Formats: sequence, structure tokens, C-alpha cells
Amino acid sequence: GQQVMQIPQYQHVQEGEDFTTYCNSSTTLSNIQWYKQRPGGHPVFLIQLVKSGEVKKQKRLTFQFGEAKKNSSLHITATQTTDVGTYFCAGRSGGYQKVTFGTGTKLQVIP
Amino acid sequence: DGGITQSPKYLFRKEGQNVTLSCEQNLNHDAMYWYRQDPGQGLRLIYYSQIVNDFQKGDIAEGYSVSREKKESFPLTVTSAQKNPTAFYLCASRDTGGLETQYFGPGTRLLVL
Repeated sequence: GQQVMQIPQYQHVQEGEDFTTYCNSSTTLSNIQWYKQRPGGHPVFLIQLVKSGEVKKQKRLTFQFGEAKKNSSLHITATQTTDVGTYFCAGRSGGYQKVTFGTGTKLQVIP
Repeated sequence: DGGITQSPKYLFRKEGQNVTLSCEQNLNHDAMYWYRQDPGQGLRLIYYSQIVNDFQKGDIAEGYSVSREKKESFPLTVTSAQKNPTAFYLCASRDTGGLETQYFGPGTRLLVL
């Protein structure tokens, strides 16, 4: 079946440092989405990537979809305490009806 | 005010008891999903429904049941057959004609007494 892994599982950074989480799929993905879940909250959609090699930016967040469409990354520049939470990727392979969520990366930002 | 709601926020279950978690959406979305999240874990799909009166098992359907009699409602029953039900349950919906974006409800925390 489709498996989506994320690394690292946890990351502690000093406020102002950069942060990157990586998402790797066992199968080629049609698209990939990124979600953020604040502590005690529910996942909130951030962005969707569809094209091979696609790069999208949202303020300090940069999202990238790999050339082979099997991996993706989320990079945060100059983290702030508001960035705290767990970041999930989610992807669908062509032959699957459902989306598979990654294992998540929990980000802690130390003020 | 459009959105997806779940109730209750907290739910306590006794051993051997069935409980039903509510999920309602007024976004006019065709697809709805139930996920289970354990502490420090990702989201695991329990059941999903692409259209009214139809639903499919996800990755961890054993011990759970669902119904989809109305487009806006997708209740989840945690049966006594689910031996480890303590978890955070999230419901989501999606517009099948648009992006893959799933909109999540606030979740229900289920605790076994």
C-alpha cells in the first residue's frame, strides 16, 4: 500500500533559526498537500503542489515538490513562536481513491 | 457561517459500550472522512465516503462503523469491538470537484473509563 514518511519526527529550534521537514512517499504522487496542526487543534490546510519540481512560497514558508513526485519539503525561514505545531504532508497516488497522511513533524520553537 | 462541526468535544466510554461521534458539515461537500490520531502520531484513516449512501473502509476500520444517509452528516460509531478506543477523532470533508483540500472539524477526544 501507499506509505508516506516524514523526517524528522521532532525538531526543536531557537527562534529565528530555519526549519525543514521532508516528506517521502513509497509511490509516485499525483499531488501533495501540507497541513499544520497547532497543539490541541485540528489540521489546517496550507498548500497543494501538483507539478513535478514545483516550488511555492507563502511568506516565510517554502514548499517544494520533487522532480520524481515522490518527495516534498517544507522550509520555514526565521522561525517564530507562532510556527509551533505539527506539520503533515498528505499525498495521493494515481491508483488510490484516498489520500495518505505522513507521520508528521512536530516543531518546537524556543523563544 | 460555513464549516464542519463535531460533537461532543470530550466523550467518556465505559467498557463494553458503543458510542457515536457526530460530524456535520454545511460546506456542501460530497466527500467526508474519519481519522484517528493517537498522541504524537499521524492521522490514520478509519472510514471515508465519497457520496451519500456509500462508504469505504480505511486503514483501521475494525471496531468502527459509519453511515452516510445525508450529505451533511457522517456519524462514527465506536463499538465495543474496538479494544483500544482512547484517541483523538477527527472528521474532515472535501469538495471532490476542487483541490484535494480537506477541511477538518475540531475533533472529539474519546476516553475509556
